[in-house]
Formats: sequence, structure tokens, C-alpha cells
Amino acid sequence: GDSVTQMEGPVTLSEEAFLTINCTYTATGYPSLFWYVQYPGEGLQLLLKATKADDKGSNKGFEATYRKETTSFHLEKGSVQVSDSAVYFCALTSNSGNTPLVFGKGTRLSVIA
Amino acid sequence: EADIYQTPRYLVIGTGKKITLECSQTMGHDKMYWYQQDPGMELHLIHYSYGVNSTEKGDLSSESTVSRIRTEHFPLTLESARPSHTSQYLCASSEYSRGSPLHFGNGTRLTVT
Repeated sequence: GDSVTQMEGPVTLSEEAFLTINCTYTATGYPSLFWYVQYPGEGLQLLLKATKADDKGSNKGFEATYRKETTSFHLEKGSVQVSDSAVYFCALTSNSGNTPLVFGKGTRLSVIA
Repeated sequence: EADIYQTPRYLVIGTGKKITLECSQTMGHDKMYWYQQDPGMELHLIHYSYGVNSTEKGDLSSESTVSRIRTEHFPLTLESARPSHTSQYLCASSEYSRGSPLHFGNGTRLTVT
């Protein structure tokens, strides 16, 4: 079945550092790919998405590119802030969209001033 | 600007009690989901629904039931709560189309003593 593997955390960075959170997937066809963010005490929020190969999703300075050849969707940000401290989830939905979203296990990011 | 609402926000109950966690959305979404979230962050799908009178079990569905009598309402019931049910429960909804993201509520944090 479909699956998502993302790097384990926790990740601790200093403010203004470069962030990469790796995400790779296993799925047939062309799934849609997502990054969600969860701030303390809240539910998950959509951060960005990409629905076809080579698409780049971007939001709030975060970016991720849908790489079919490497089955990857790595999350990047050039300069993190303390307010970016959260848990990040990579996810996919199947080509048909008829099966529930498959989530990675989450990566906790802590940014220190 | 959550358009998906979960109540109660926090709940502490004794072992053996029957409880219902409420979830409502005002977006007219066909798809709705219940997830249980570990303290370690991982999400486990409990139940989902793709429309009125349609419900499916997820990976962690034992000991709980759901109903979907109205599009906007998707309650989760634990017939007999146990300490192992202590967790955070997240409700989510989405449109039916491929690539549509999930919208999450803020969750119910349940403690069973």
C-alpha cells in the first residue's frame, strides 16, 4: 500500500538557519502530496501541496517540490524563525483520491533564538 | 478560521463510561475523518465517511463507532472508555475532489482515569 517516510526528529535549529525535512513516498501512479503543520495545542493545518510531478508548493517561506524520479517531497525554508517551531507532517493521497490521506509520523522542529 | 468544530475540548472521565465526541463542519464537505494522535505525534485513522449513511473503519477502529446521519455532523462514540483510550482525537473534513486538503478541528484531549 501507499506509505510516507519522513525524517525523524526532533530537529533543533537556531533562528535564521536553513531547514530541510526529508520526505519520501511509495505509491502507484501520481499521488497528490501535502505538508501539514501542527502548532502546540492545535489541529493540523495545510502548509502547502503539489498535485503533479515537478510542481512546487510554497507558503510562508516554505517550499517543497514534487520529484517523481526520486519519489520525494522535501520541505525547505531558507531562514527559520522561532514561530516556526511546530510538528510537520508529510502526507499523500492516492491517484484516485478515493482512499484516506496517508501521513508520515511527523517531525518536531524547535527553533531557538 | 476553523470551520470544523470539536467538543468538548478537554474531557476527563472514569473507566467504563460511554462517551461521545462531537464534530461538526460548516463547509458542506462530503468526506470526514477521525484520527487518534499519540503523544509521540503519529496519527492513526479510526473511522472515515465519504457521505451520509456511509462509514468505514480505519486502522484503529476497535471499541468505537461513528455515525453520519447529516453531512455536517460526524460524532465518535466510545462504548466503554479505558485508560488506553487516553489520547488526543482529531476530526477532519475535505471536499470529494482529488487533491483536496483536509481541514482539521482543534481536537479533543481525552483522559480516562
